[in-house]
This record gives sequence, C-alpha cells and structure tokens, in this order.
Amino acid sequence: AQSVTQLDSQVPVFEEAPVELRCNYSSSVSVYLFWYVQYPNQGLQLLLKYLSGSTLVKGINGFEAEFNKSQTSFHLRKPSVHISDTAEYFCAVSLSGNTPLVFGKGTRLSVIA
Amino acid sequence: DTGVSQNPRHKITKRGQNVTFRCDPISEHNRLYWYRQTLGQGPEFLTYFQNEAQLEKSRLLSDRFSAERPKGSFSTLEIQRTEQGDSAMYLCASRVVGSYEQYFGPGTRLTVT
Repeated sequence: AQSVTQLDSQVPVFEEAPVELRCNYSSSVSVYLFWYVQYPNQGLQLLLKYLSGSTLVKGINGFEAEFNKSQTSFHLRKPSVHISDTAEYFCAVSLSGNTPLVFGKGTRLSVIA
Repeated sequence: DTGVSQNPRHKITKRGQNVTFRCDPISEHNRLYWYRQTLGQGPEFLTYFQNEAQLEKSRLLSDRFSAERPKGSFSTLEIQRTEQGDSAMYLCASRVVGSYEQYFGPGTRLTVT
C-alpha cells in the first residue's frame, strides 16, 4: 500500500522569502501525486498535480513542485511567499484515477510579516 | 457551478445519538468520496461512490457508519450510536471519471460530547 510522509509539521517563513515543503511517498508502482491547500475552516483546494510527463509541475498561486522518481519525492516550492499563503498544505498520492487519495499529515505554513 | 456543498457545517451531539450528514456534489460529477479528518492529521478515506453504487469502503468505516447515494446525486453519511472518537471533520469530494481532480466541500465538523 502507498503512504505519504510530510517531513515538516510546521514551517515558519518570513514574507517574500522562498519556501519548500517536503513530501516523500512510498509505492511499488507508479503513482499520481497532488498538493492540496486548506485555509482555516475551509475545504481542500488543489494546488497542482503530477500525472505524467514533465517532472516540474506548475500550479496556482505561484507554486510549483518537482517529481523525483529516484528519491520518491514531490516537494512543493514557492520563490516568494505572501501572508495569504498561511495555511495547511497536504501532499497526496493515488495509484490511478480509480483509487482514493492517500494524504500525508500536512505541513502548516506560517508566513511572518 | 456552485461547488461541493455540505450540511450541516457544524454538529454537536451527545454520545450515543445518531447523526446524518449530507453532501451535494458538483452536478454531473459521477464520483463522490467521503473522508474523515481529525486534528493534526490529513484526510483519511472512508468510502466512495460511482453514481449510486458504493464501490469501496475503508476498514475505518465501522458497522456504525453507513453511506448512501440513492439517485446518484447527493449522498448521506450516517453515524449511529456516536462515540467521542467520532469527533472529526467529515469531508466530501466529487469528480468526473477521467479527470483525477477531486473537488472538496467545506466539511462538516462533528463534536461528540
């Protein structure tokens, strides 16, 4: 069975600084990878996804992620964060379009003015 | 397209009572998922439907939990004889087969006292 590890439970960062949120997955077969963001008292919103093709994936709000098969990682990056990026970020994996998502425990990003 | 809606948004109940939550997916989304999210954790899969058929149930879904999607549109999740351990956020998501992107509702927060 697949699993997802988000290595950092909390990441504080100053406004306009770059940030990287780390995600590693475990699976014996090819997977689809996702990053979701959850703002307080709201549902999850998809930031970006990797299905196949280019390993660098660009998403909404200036976020991007790079799929690294050899390291089984899918780290999320943003070159310059804003206060409004403060939220919980979840990495998720799916074996195929037909299987449910398996989520990591999340990383709380706190952007400091 | 009004998004996925869930009702109620909050529910407080006493231990031993039954509760029912409703999810209205985006129209024409034939896949509907239920997840449970506890404090400090990522969402965990409970069950999903394709149209009115319930295709998979997680081992997390004990006998006290039942879900239905009678006409392939809205879905209900019922918990019988609630326990304090059932306190969580219950999330619903929907998607179109072949799209891979799940759209999440705002969730129903259940508190069992």
